[in-house]
Amino acid sequence: NAGVTQTPKFRILKIGQSMTLQCTQDMNHNYMYWYRQDPGMGLKLIYYSVGAGITDKGEVPNGYNVSRSTTEDFPLRLELAAPSQTSVYFCASSYLPSTNEKLFFGSGTQLSVL
Amino acid sequence: DAKTTQPTSMDCAEGRAANLPCNHSTISGNEYVYWYRQIHSQGPQYIIHGLKNNETNEMASLIITEDRKSSTLILPHATLRDTAVYYCIVTRFTGGTSYGKLTFGQGTILTVHP
Repeated sequence: NAGVTQTPKFRILKIGQSMTLQCTQDMNHNYMYWYRQDPGMGLKLIYYSVGAGITDKGEVPNGYNVSRSTTEDFPLRLELAAPSQTSVYFCASSYLPSTNEKLFFGSGTQLSVL
Repeated sequence: DAKTTQPTSMDCAEGRAANLPCNHSTISGNEYVYWYRQIHSQGPQYIIHGLKNNETNEMASLIITEDRKSSTLILPHATLRDTAVYYCIVTRFTGGTSYGKLTFGQGTILTVHP
């Protein structure tokens, strides 16, 4: 039972570099999300997707891009890394629309931009 | 979504019940109360949710007051592994693209000690 898998677990970037955070889920969930968590703070929604080919902005989308070409994968792209993007990134997924907002989270990617 | 207020931190002795309060005085009739927890360096984990009736599952019990303005998460026999940040979240079931837009505040740091 893999659930939601994120790679890499840790990464250090230089300012201006780009990278893609990978997220894949094997539960056939339609809904997928990217959150970031700054030290000592709660999670903030970056982007989300309600199905393959459909994405939308969350609370803090600036500086990020996403794509959803398959149900399983939902990569997050940072084009020009900035120190303000130093954070822990969590990917999550959930099943079809229902009253149960039960999100399944990955173990996170810790990113430092120096 | 309604705003929630939780104590910053709480302590509990191992084997005793942990009672975590949450105030959500502006909750509306179609908003659910969700609880998640985040163990250090891991992604958040769903615990339980409810609308107006008390709920119980294998992890915890959720007590919602009759006026729904507050709730309490109960861990009946806390263990050291229950040490985590606990998030109380109130969210509306509106269908469409609202799913997963959970607002994680700063939560309550629960420390279970021997």
